[in-house]
Amino acid sequence: DIQMTQSPSSLSASVGDRVTITCQASQDIGHYLSWYQQKPGKAPKLLIYDAFNLETGVPSTFSGSKSGTDFTFTISSLQPEDLATYYCQQYHYLPFTFGPGTKVDLK
Amino acid sequence: EVRLVESGGDLLQPGGSLRLSCAASGFTFSHYWMHWVRQTPGKGLLWVSRINSDGSNIAYADAVKGRFTISRDNAKNTVYLQMNSLRAEDTALYYCARVRSGNVDAFDMWGQGTMVTVSS
Repeated sequence: DIQMTQSPSSLSASVGDRVTITCQASQDIGHYLSWYQQKPGKAPKLLIYDAFNLETGVPSTFSGSKSGTDFTFTISSLQPEDLATYYCQQYHYLPFTFGPGTKVDLK
Repeated sequence: EVRLVESGGDLLQPGGSLRLSCAASGFTFSHYWMHWVRQTPGKGLLWVSRINSDGSNIAYADAVKGRFTISRDNAKNTVYLQMNSLRAEDTALYYCARVRSGNVDAFDMWGQGTMVTVSS
C-alpha cells in the first residue's frame, strides 16, 4: 500500500498567516493527489484534486503544488473559517490512502 | 439538491451483520463510481470499497475483503455495503463518497456518515 505522510500533525496560526502543509507519498503517485478539509462533525470536503486543481467553488486562497513525490497545500491568508483538519489522499493505486491529517487552529 | 444520505448504522455484537445504504439525489447516479470510506479517531480516514457505475468493477480494502460486499441499485439511486462477520475494529463512522467526473478519482461529494459500533 502507498503510505502517505503528512506534516505537521498540527499547527497554530494567526488570521492572515500563510499556512503550508506537506504530504509525501511512499512511491510515485504522479499527480493523483487530493486535499480535503474536514470541520468537526462534518464530512470531508474536496478542495484540490490532481495535485493543484482547485475544486469548483473553493476560494483561491487555497492552492496545491507538487515536486516529485512531495506535495504542498497552502492557505495564502488564513481565515477563521479555515480552522479545520486537512487531509491528503492518493488515488493512483488501490487501496486509496489518506494522510493522517493536519489540524489547523488559531494561535 | 445534490446529496448523499447514508443510513443503517447501528450498535451490534462481534460476528454480527449489517447493511449500510447510501441514497443519492440531485444527480445522475448511474454515471458515477461510488466509494465507501470509514473514519475512526485513532486511524483517521480509511478507504473501504469501490464500485463502478454499472457494478461490474469492484474493489475492497484487505481489512474487509471476504466480509464486506459493495453493491448498487441504479434504479433506486442507492449504493450498499453489506458487512458480515463484524469485528470491534470495524467500529467507525462510514461515509459514502462520489467520484468526481472527468476521470478524476477524487471524492467530490460525501454523505454525512452513519455510525457503526461493534462491541460486546
